[in-house]
Amino acid sequence: AQTVTQSQPEMSVQEAETVTLSCTYDTSENNYYLFWYKQPPSRQMILVIRQEAYKQQNATENRFSVNFQKAAKSFSLKISDSQLGDTAMYFCAFMKPPYDKIIFGKGTRLHILP
Amino acid sequence: ETGVTQSPTHLIKTRGQQVTLRCSSQSGHNTVSWYQQALGQGPQFIFQYYREEENGRGNFPPRFSGLQFPNYSSELNVNALELDDSALYLCASSSPGLPETSTDTQYFGPGTRLTVL
Repeated sequence: AQTVTQSQPEMSVQEAETVTLSCTYDTSENNYYLFWYKQPPSRQMILVIRQEAYKQQNATENRFSVNFQKAAKSFSLKISDSQLGDTAMYFCAFMKPPYDKIIFGKGTRLHILP
Repeated sequence: ETGVTQSPTHLIKTRGQQVTLRCSSQSGHNTVSWYQQALGQGPQFIFQYYREEENGRGNFPPRFSGLQFPNYSSELNVNALELDDSALYLCASSSPGLPETSTDTQYFGPGTRLTVL
């Protein structure tokens, strides 16, 4: 069975700083997707970034980038130039395509301080 | 392109009652997945519907049941409500396809907050 572990329950950084959220996972699958979802206080789960395991290149979406280490089963999220609107709960997630369920970690609560 | 919508936004029920939650999938998506998110936790998979058939189920009792309609909208029904059923219920839609299209990524609705008293 797949598991997703986020070891940082809560983090705080100053606005404009760079922050890295950690995630490790366990699977015997070779083909899978990894995601970071953001859940602000409004509770809407928003996709931040997606990484296909077969791709060696790390995914990037504007200020958000990942460090995907397949052998180490590590998938960290880097937020550059953090903004107040980045304050949210961040969930690391795993999915085996194409139809499978998403397995979520317990989340990291991120506070961006003015 | 319309996103995933859910109704109602929140509701309050008493123990033993039954509840129906609704979800409209994003345009072009034929798969709907339901998740339960307890306070302070990550979402837990309940079940998934693909083209009106159940296509996988998590560790939830049979009193959690669902339907998917020809227009791919979906319902989650919970019978004999228990206090522990109080949670945010999230619906996500997707459509299996080529990875390059990213349509198999699950996009979430705003959720329904259920409180059981």
